[in-house]
Amino acid sequence: DSGVTQTPKHLITATGQRVTLRCSPRSGDLSVYWYQQSLDQGLQFLIQYYNGEERAKGNILERFSAQQFPDLHSELNLSSLELGDSALYFCASSIRDSNPTDTQYFGPGTRLTVL
Amino acid sequence: AQSVTQPDIHITVSEGASLELRCNYSYGATPYLFWYVQSPGQGLQLLLKYFSGDTLVQGIKGFEAEFKRSQSSFNLRKPSVHWSDAAEYFCAVGAMDSNYQLIWGAGTKLIIKP
Repeated sequence: DSGVTQTPKHLITATGQRVTLRCSPRSGDLSVYWYQQSLDQGLQFLIQYYNGEERAKGNILERFSAQQFPDLHSELNLSSLELGDSALYFCASSIRDSNPTDTQYFGPGTRLTVL
Repeated sequence: AQSVTQPDIHITVSEGASLELRCNYSYGATPYLFWYVQSPGQGLQLLLKYFSGDTLVQGIKGFEAEFKRSQSSFNLRKPSVHWSDAAEYFCAVGAMDSNYQLIWGAGTKLIIKP
């Protein structure tokens, strides 16, 4: 158990809909990272927050947005969903901001299926 | 831009045999290098990482990796695999010019033959 929790575990929805994925980092970690893992694109970094502020963006679509709240949990919002958004979405956390010496601890993921 | 190549999509080894998983990276300087493991239905877990110093790095679960600058490689090894090692293994690179965000290889799925 990494200490990172993600809810829900599975999500099935229809095209055009909007969903929210939630992540609670490990106690004491200030950075939260979101990743997408799909069969065709592999594992891709989406976005990072540190102590409530956006710090880095990767291959995140404009239809997707995220935020980190004062209690440090984070939400990833996916809107106008398309079939191609079906993937496993991981959250990871680390202690500091973009410090590569800090281990990123991953949650178990949310599997999103868009029908 | 950095890139990571894991040339083997699948590898099958017998239980008790040795293992080597390949990882090559493309980057001008020495990046930060990582190996993660993803067991079925689980998140990713860090096996080991390399930043500098001794080029042979020891990790958890009996794994080790060797950084070879001349070959731009960071191969993962284990002398004797166990059935519980069946999983997918990911090599990742972090570098200063990408704000150390991790760039991932495509993964290698390890299958253990009894």
